[in-house]
Amino acid sequence: ETGVTQTPRHLVMGMTNKKSLKCEQHLGHNAMYWYKQSAKKPLELMFVYSLEERVENNSVPSRFSPECPNSSHLFLHLHTLQPEDSALYLCASSQEYDNEQFFGPGTRLTVL
Amino acid sequence: GENVEQHPSTLSVQEGDSAVIKCTYSDSASNYFPWYKQELGKRPQLIIDIRSNVGEKKDQRIAVTLNKTAKHFSLHITETQPEDSAVYFCAASFGGATNKLIFGTGTLLAVQP
Repeated sequence: ETGVTQTPRHLVMGMTNKKSLKCEQHLGHNAMYWYKQSAKKPLELMFVYSLEERVENNSVPSRFSPECPNSSHLFLHLHTLQPEDSALYLCASSQEYDNEQFFGPGTRLTVL
Repeated sequence: GENVEQHPSTLSVQEGDSAVIKCTYSDSASNYFPWYKQELGKRPQLIIDIRSNVGEKKDQRIAVTLNKTAKHFSLHITETQPEDSAVYFCAASFGGATNKLIFGTGTLLAVQP
């Protein structure tokens, strides 16, 4: 598959569960991002990885833990989430200094 | 902190009319300003972008203008078509790194046939 892919596309979890979101990019990019998209709020940048090193963490709660094992894969590990964490989580990638960011289809997360 | 304001939040136009969406930003160091289109249930996709050394950029029916002094930029869509209906997001780079973006709240554009 080409572009940026994300799995799962939908996830329902309880507050005590642990789950992971996966993102894979097939574009040869070297920067990857996690965004949170909530209703009536702007896209919020959560994490930026460049050359597999985390370069930005916008004060995201520790119940979200990112992992970037290589330039093609990005994970978001979730544990003890809150209902207000329910949102669409979007992954994106870019060439570090070529600014267009390509988005994945997102994971629709519901926390019960 | 850094902030991008976007107006209007909703915009309804008749097919063939023009649509204009405006954004203002707070970080004077911002130098990259993309616009994304997100159709219902789909991912955001870049439609046009502009850098701070340019005042205007056009791509067919879409144009973006930038006023660095006033710290605002606008998206112009001419001869609108029903398939232009979507949510449009502006963004501005921040923190001195052009690949870190802060987004506006989005504009829902409805083009009435």
